[in-house]
Amino acid sequence: GAGVSQSPSNKVTEKGKDVELRCDPISGHTALYWYRQRLGQGLEFLIYFQGNSAPDKSGLPSDRFSAERTGESVSTLTIQRTQQEDSAVYLCASSKVSGRSGDTQYFGPGTRLTVL
Amino acid sequence: AQSVTQLGSHVSVSEGALVLLRCNYSSSVPPYLFWYVQYPNQGLQLLLKYTTGATLVKGINGFEAEFKKSETSFHLTKPSAHMSDAAEYFCAVSRNNDMRFGAGTRLTVKP
Repeated sequence: GAGVSQSPSNKVTEKGKDVELRCDPISGHTALYWYRQRLGQGLEFLIYFQGNSAPDKSGLPSDRFSAERTGESVSTLTIQRTQQEDSAVYLCASSKVSGRSGDTQYFGPGTRLTVL
Repeated sequence: AQSVTQLGSHVSVSEGALVLLRCNYSSSVPPYLFWYVQYPNQGLQLLLKYTTGATLVKGINGFEAEFKKSETSFHLTKPSAHMSDAAEYFCAVSRNNDMRFGAGTRLTVKP
Protein backbone atom coordinates (compact mmCIF):
# COMPACT_ATOMS: atom_id res chain seq x y z
CA GLY A 1 0.00 0.00 0.00
CA ALA A 2 0.98 3.59 -0.43
CA GLY A 3 0.69 4.64 3.17
CA VAL A 4 1.11 3.44 6.73
CA SER A 5 -1.63 1.04 7.75
CA GLN A 6 -2.70 0.00 11.21
CA SER A 7 -4.97 -2.72 12.49
CA PRO A 8 -7.41 -3.02 14.00
CA SER A 9 -8.90 0.42 13.54
CA ASN A 10 -10.92 0.00 16.73
CA LYS A 11 -10.42 -2.33 19.65
CA VAL A 12 -12.64 -2.68 22.70
CA THR A 13 -11.32 -4.89 25.46
CA GLU A 14 -11.94 -5.67 29.08
CA LYS A 15 -9.63 -4.54 31.83
CA GLY A 16 -6.91 -7.09 32.44
CA LYS A 17 -6.86 -8.53 28.92
CA ASP A 18 -3.85 -8.33 26.61
CA VAL A 19 -4.05 -6.55 23.25
CA GLU A 20 -1.85 -6.46 20.16
CA LEU A 21 -1.78 -3.53 17.80
CA ARG A 22 -0.23 -3.86 14.37
CA CYS A 23 1.53 -1.35 12.13
CA ASP A 24 2.57 -1.82 8.51
CA PRO A 25 4.94 0.98 7.54
CA ILE A 26 5.55 2.34 4.09
CA SER A 27 7.67 -0.13 2.16
CA GLY A 28 11.36 0.72 2.40
CA HIS A 29 11.04 2.99 5.43
CA THR A 30 13.68 2.04 7.94
CA ALA A 31 12.42 4.04 10.92
CA LEU A 32 9.15 3.31 12.72
CA TYR A 33 7.55 5.16 15.64
CA TRP A 34 4.69 4.53 18.04
CA TYR A 35 2.76 7.31 19.76
CA ARG A 36 -0.22 7.48 22.08
CA GLN A 37 -2.85 10.18 21.84
CA ARG A 38 -5.24 10.44 24.73
CA LEU A 39 -8.54 12.21 24.22
CA GLY A 40 -8.00 15.95 23.86
CA GLN A 41 -4.25 15.70 24.30
CA GLY A 42 -1.17 15.81 22.15
CA LEU A 43 0.92 12.92 20.98
CA GLU A 44 3.00 11.06 23.50
CA PHE A 45 6.12 9.34 22.15
CA LEU A 46 6.30 5.65 23.08
CA ILE A 47 9.07 3.94 21.15
CA TYR A 48 11.19 4.22 18.04
CA PHE A 49 12.68 1.48 15.83
CA GLN A 50 15.72 1.80 13.64
CA GLY A 51 15.47 -1.28 11.47
CA ASN A 52 14.46 -4.03 13.88
CA SER A 53 16.19 -2.48 16.86
CA ALA A 54 14.68 -0.09 19.38
CA PRO A 55 17.42 2.27 20.58
CA ASP A 56 14.94 4.40 22.51
CA LYS A 57 12.35 2.71 24.74
CA SER A 58 12.18 5.54 27.22
CA GLY A 59 8.63 6.49 26.33
CA LEU A 60 7.01 3.19 27.18
CA PRO A 61 4.69 3.98 30.12
CA SER A 62 5.25 0.76 32.03
CA ASP A 63 6.53 -2.79 31.76
CA ARG A 64 3.08 -3.81 30.55
CA PHE A 65 3.97 -2.21 27.21
CA SER A 66 6.29 -3.88 24.72
CA ALA A 67 6.93 -3.64 21.01
CA GLU A 68 8.78 -5.54 18.37
CA ARG A 69 9.56 -5.20 14.71
CA THR A 70 10.50 -7.92 12.28
CA GLY A 71 11.94 -7.91 8.79
CA GLU A 72 12.37 -4.15 9.02
CA SER A 73 8.68 -4.05 8.28
CA VAL A 74 5.70 -4.90 10.46
CA SER A 75 5.66 -3.79 14.07
CA THR A 76 3.47 -4.97 16.92
CA LEU A 77 2.72 -3.02 20.08
CA THR A 78 1.54 -5.26 22.90
CA ILE A 79 -0.19 -4.06 26.03
CA GLN A 80 -0.54 -6.66 28.75
CA ARG A 81 -3.13 -6.59 31.54
CA THR A 82 -4.79 -3.51 30.07
CA GLN A 83 -5.99 -0.75 32.37
CA GLN A 84 -8.62 1.90 31.74
CA GLU A 85 -5.93 4.57 31.51
CA ASP A 86 -4.56 2.75 28.46
CA SER A 87 -7.62 3.90 26.50
CA ALA A 88 -6.32 6.12 23.71
CA VAL A 89 -5.57 6.26 20.01
CA TYR A 90 -2.29 4.55 19.23
CA LEU A 91 -0.56 6.03 16.21
CA CYS A 92 2.23 4.55 14.16
CA ALA A 93 4.51 6.50 11.85
CA SER A 94 7.38 5.63 9.57
CA SER A 95 10.16 7.61 7.94
CA LYS A 96 12.50 6.85 5.12
CA VAL A 97 15.91 7.08 6.69
CA SER A 98 16.64 6.42 10.32
CA GLY A 99 19.09 8.62 12.13
CA ARG A 100 18.08 11.77 10.29
CA SER A 101 15.72 13.83 12.35
CA GLY A 102 14.66 16.06 9.51
CA ASP A 103 12.91 13.23 7.69
CA THR A 104 9.16 13.49 7.51
CA GLN A 105 7.20 10.98 9.53
CA TYR A 106 4.18 9.54 7.75
CA PHE A 107 1.35 8.57 10.06
CA GLY A 108 -1.14 5.76 9.96
CA PRO A 109 -4.82 6.29 10.81
CA GLY A 110 -4.39 4.93 14.30
CA THR A 111 -5.97 2.25 16.44
CA ARG A 112 -8.59 3.46 18.90
CA LEU A 113 -8.30 1.34 22.03
CA THR A 114 -11.08 1.36 24.60
CA VAL A 115 -10.58 -0.52 27.86
CA LEU A 116 -13.82 -1.15 29.74
CA ALA B 1 15.91 17.71 26.06
CA GLN B 2 13.39 19.41 23.87
CA SER B 3 9.79 20.43 24.26
CA VAL B 4 7.04 22.29 22.49
CA THR B 5 4.42 24.70 23.79
CA GLN B 6 1.41 25.61 21.73
CA LEU B 7 -0.32 28.71 23.03
CA GLY B 8 -4.06 28.32 22.89
CA SER B 9 -5.76 24.95 22.81
CA HIS B 10 -8.62 26.45 20.78
CA VAL B 11 -8.53 29.19 18.16
CA SER B 12 -11.59 30.46 16.36
CA VAL B 13 -11.48 32.70 13.28
CA SER B 14 -13.95 33.86 10.69
CA GLU B 15 -13.74 32.63 7.14
CA GLY B 16 -11.33 34.87 5.23
CA ALA B 17 -9.53 36.07 8.36
CA LEU B 18 -5.88 35.58 9.21
CA VAL B 19 -4.95 32.34 10.91
CA LEU B 20 -2.16 32.48 13.50
CA LEU B 21 -1.29 29.40 15.54
CA ARG B 22 1.53 29.87 17.99
CA CYS B 23 4.33 27.45 18.76
CA ASN B 24 7.38 27.92 20.96
CA TYR B 25 10.04 25.32 21.46
CA SER B 26 12.97 24.61 23.68
CA SER B 27 15.94 22.69 22.42
CA SER B 28 19.54 22.47 23.47
CA VAL B 29 20.65 22.10 19.87
CA PRO B 30 19.34 23.59 16.60
CA PRO B 31 16.00 21.90 16.08
CA TYR B 32 14.05 20.54 13.22
CA LEU B 33 10.50 21.90 13.41
CA PHE B 34 7.27 20.58 11.99
CA TRP B 35 3.59 21.40 11.75
CA TYR B 36 1.16 18.53 11.31
CA VAL B 37 -2.59 18.74 10.73
CA GLN B 38 -5.21 16.22 11.79
CA TYR B 39 -8.57 16.52 10.06
CA PRO B 40 -11.58 14.92 11.77
CA ASN B 41 -11.38 11.14 11.71
CA GLN B 42 -8.15 11.19 9.72
CA GLY B 43 -4.49 10.58 10.45
CA LEU B 44 -1.86 13.26 10.86
CA GLN B 45 -0.36 14.73 7.76
CA LEU B 46 2.60 17.01 7.36
CA LEU B 47 1.85 20.66 6.62
CA LEU B 48 5.42 21.91 6.50
CA LYS B 49 8.81 21.54 8.13
CA TYR B 50 11.96 23.50 8.81
CA THR B 51 15.33 21.76 8.76
CA THR B 52 17.94 24.21 7.46
CA GLY B 53 18.14 27.16 5.08
CA ALA B 54 15.37 29.68 4.55
CA THR B 55 13.58 30.46 7.78
CA LEU B 56 10.23 31.12 6.10
CA VAL B 57 8.78 27.79 5.11
CA LYS B 58 5.80 27.36 2.83
CA GLY B 59 3.57 24.33 3.15
CA ILE B 60 0.45 22.87 1.68
CA ASN B 61 -2.95 24.56 1.55
CA GLY B 62 -1.49 28.07 1.73
CA PHE B 63 0.07 27.71 5.18
CA GLU B 64 3.50 29.00 6.07
CA ALA B 65 5.64 29.25 9.18
CA GLU B 66 8.70 31.24 10.13
CA PHE B 67 11.53 29.93 12.27
CA LYS B 68 12.68 32.70 14.61
CA LYS B 69 15.66 31.52 16.59
CA SER B 70 15.80 34.63 18.77
CA GLU B 71 12.21 34.06 19.86
CA THR B 72 12.40 30.23 19.83
CA SER B 73 9.19 30.30 17.84
CA PHE B 74 7.72 28.60 14.79
CA HIS B 75 4.27 30.15 14.42
CA LEU B 76 1.94 28.92 11.69
CA THR B 77 0.03 31.41 9.56
CA LYS B 78 -2.39 31.55 6.68
CA PRO B 79 -3.59 34.88 5.25
CA SER B 80 -7.19 33.82 4.67
CA ALA B 81 -8.96 31.01 6.49
CA HIS B 82 -11.17 28.57 4.65
CA MET B 83 -13.86 26.40 6.16
CA SER B 84 -11.85 23.34 5.16
CA ASP B 85 -9.00 24.47 7.44
CA ALA B 86 -10.97 23.43 10.52
CA ALA B 87 -8.80 20.76 12.16
CA GLU B 88 -6.35 20.05 14.95
CA TYR B 89 -2.85 21.40 14.40
CA PHE B 90 0.26 20.03 16.08
CA CYS B 91 3.67 21.62 16.29
CA ALA B 92 6.61 19.26 16.78
CA VAL B 93 10.34 19.52 17.38
CA SER B 94 12.79 16.81 16.48
CA ARG B 95 16.40 16.05 17.06
CA ASN B 96 18.15 12.68 16.98
CA ASN B 97 14.93 10.93 16.00
CA ASP B 98 13.25 12.08 19.20
CA MET B 99 10.16 13.94 18.03
CA ARG B 100 8.13 15.80 20.64
CA PHE B 101 4.69 17.14 19.90
CA GLY B 102 2.78 20.03 21.38
CA ALA B 103 -0.64 19.48 22.90
CA GLY B 104 -2.34 20.72 19.75
CA THR B 105 -4.52 23.66 18.78
CA ARG B 106 -8.03 23.10 17.52
CA LEU B 107 -8.89 25.59 14.79
CA THR B 108 -12.53 26.47 14.23
CA VAL B 109 -13.55 28.52 11.19
CA LYS B 110 -16.83 30.41 11.40
CA PRO B 111 -18.81 31.24 8.27
